[in-house]
Amino acid sequence: AQSVAQPEDQVKVAEGNPLTVKCTYSVSGNPYLFWYVQYPNRGLQFLLKYITGDNLVKGSYGFEAEFNKSQTSFHLKKPSALVSDSALYFCAVYTGKLIFGQGTTLQVKP
Amino acid sequence: KAGVTQTPRYLIKTRGQQVTLSCSPISGHRSVSWYQQTPGQGLQFLFEYFSETQRNKGNFPGRFSGRQFSNSRSEMNVSTLELGDSALYLCASSLGTSGTIQEQYFGPGTRLTVT
Repeated sequence: AQSVAQPEDQVKVAEGNPLTVKCTYSVSGNPYLFWYVQYPNRGLQFLLKYITGDNLVKGSYGFEAEFNKSQTSFHLKKPSALVSDSALYFCAVYTGKLIFGQGTTLQVKP
Repeated sequence: KAGVTQTPRYLIKTRGQQVTLSCSPISGHRSVSWYQQTPGQGLQFLFEYFSETQRNKGNFPGRFSGRQFSNSRSEMNVSTLELGDSALYLCASSLGTSGTIQEQYFGPGTRLTVT
């Protein structure tokens, strides 16, 4: 079955430090991977996607993600975290529909 | 360009009632998908409509149904509401062009509470 896993329920980092939010996937065939962010009482906002090509994908708000086929991972990264990055982050795989991970709450402390 | 809009934003219903939620996609987007978000089950796909036809369906009971109109606006209906239907219902739109993988743009959601 196609699935996505986010192994960490919560990630805490200090402002200015690099951040990583982890995602692993299990799909048959080519993986089409997405990251979304959700702020309180809001819908999801698209950050970036990997369809094919370069393993390092750049997205909105300074975020990037690294696709690693051998490790079946698609970790979200940002070189320098901001307090305003605090939110709920979802990794998803597209298989004709989006299948989401359980989400990771990112807390950036001042 | 205006984003995806959903109405109403909040709704309180009683068990056994039915409810209709509405979604207006981004102009030019022909695909509309619906998702249910709950603390326990996370984000789950309900169904997708494209050009007024259901193109994909998730694993939800038949009480959950939807439709799409010629202007791409979509509605979802839940009949015989159960307490477990309390959730945030999210609508997402995309161009829906066949053969390409496009990002979906989400609305703010409708918060349904069943009492």
